[in-house]
Amino acid sequence: AQSVTQLDSHVSVSEGTPVLLRCNYSSSYSPSLFWYVQHPNKGLQLLLKYTSAATLVKGINGFEAEFKKSETSFHLTKPSAHMSDAAEYFCVVSPSANQAGTALIFGKGTTLSVSS
Amino acid sequence: EPEVTQTPSHQVTQMGQEVILHCVPISNHLYFYWYRQILGQKVEFLVSFYNNEISEKSEIFDDQFSVERPDGSNFTLKIRSTKLEDSAMYFCASSGGPLTGELFFGEGSRLTVL
Repeated sequence: AQSVTQLDSHVSVSEGTPVLLRCNYSSSYSPSLFWYVQHPNKGLQLLLKYTSAATLVKGINGFEAEFKKSETSFHLTKPSAHMSDAAEYFCVVSPSANQAGTALIFGKGTTLSVSS
Repeated sequence: EPEVTQTPSHQVTQMGQEVILHCVPISNHLYFYWYRQILGQKVEFLVSFYNNEISEKSEIFDDQFSVERPDGSNFTLKIRSTKLEDSAMYFCASSGGPLTGELFFGEGSRLTVL
């Protein structure tokens, strides 16, 4: 069975400092992994995805994530936080890379706060 | 930019009433989904829909729930005889093809059952 654990429910950073949002996954198969972001009163937006190609994945808005199979991790990073990055971030696993219609499994989310 | 549109944004209903949540997916997408998020909990998968039938559903999606694509553009979630525990944010999503995970989500419909 697949599952995903976001290790921090809330992360606070100062503008201009690095961001690290941690995610560990459990999967019986080679998973697809994603990060979604949800800004207040907005829908969920795909930040980036890993589907068994390059282990370092670059996404939108300067975010990137590295798939580490040995650590079963898929942490999200950004070198320099911006005020507009304040949002809820979800780590998501899908059991199969090429099967549409399959349920995504969401982590509980990490709230990122950015102070000036 | 194409987007998934959900209505209503917020609905308040009495326990036992029926509710229909509406979604207009992106026009050339083929796969449709409903997820929900109870306040303070994870986003949970409810159901996926392809080729006019349910392709997968979770344990949450029991006989109280149904989905329909009545006119080729709308994708609705019907909740019969609502319960207090149905109060949640319901997200509709769509995707264009086999690249699973490329889901485009709407802004959600908040359902409050009193």
